[in-house]
Amino acid sequence: SQELEQSPQSLIVQEGKNLTINCTSSKTLYGLYWYKQKYGEGLIFLMMLQKGGEEKSHEKITAKLDEKKQQSSLHITASQPSHAGIYLCGAVPNTGNQFYFGTGTSLTVIP
Amino acid sequence: DADVTQTPRNRITKTGKRIMLECSQTKGHDRMYWYRQDPGLGLRLIYYSFDVKDINKGEISDGYSVSRQAQAKFSLSLESAIPNQTALYFCATRDTNTGELFFGEGSRLTVL
Repeated sequence: SQELEQSPQSLIVQEGKNLTINCTSSKTLYGLYWYKQKYGEGLIFLMMLQKGGEEKSHEKITAKLDEKKQQSSLHITASQPSHAGIYLCGAVPNTGNQFYFGTGTSLTVIP
Repeated sequence: DADVTQTPRNRITKTGKRIMLECSQTKGHDRMYWYRQDPGLGLRLIYYSFDVKDINKGEISDGYSVSRQAQAKFSLSLESAIPNQTALYFCATRDTNTGELFFGEGSRLTVL
């Protein structure tokens, strides 16, 4: 959806390096969701952020939502080949019920 | 068994043929969605439904139709398939308490 912009579009990193993926909206978000997809497979839920300034971590992945609730970042520390895949942010941009996704970031981790 | 099941998982068809992709869920969610995924374009919403009587168009509904036969079943139809409908299609349900979407494994459609 044009409402959620992700950057970068693709990323190639050496194993062990840190990386950040960004998701930006022109509208205030009522919930920001991060999903991971292994190539050609279904999507796996990573985490959800709702409050401005909120930060959540799971294993080596940390996601943050800015105070204005218009931008989120996903940070991976000490990347591993198992982190490879497509990362998508999704959101409900208003009190309606459509659930939009960003364009995705393809991550390759080189052993 | 998967909570959200899509059939078929793979389908190759010819231009002009009618195709139906089926989705069934055991999560008991009222909200169901159909998305298509194309390289570099992320997931784009085709249709969504909040119950059997509530069907809504998404951002790219042209060329598609849906049917919500029951709370657990949501089907996507391509009345006359064309090559640019070649894509990976996902069905999802949504938990209204947490907001989280739960996805099927995807249906890969190729239109020749």
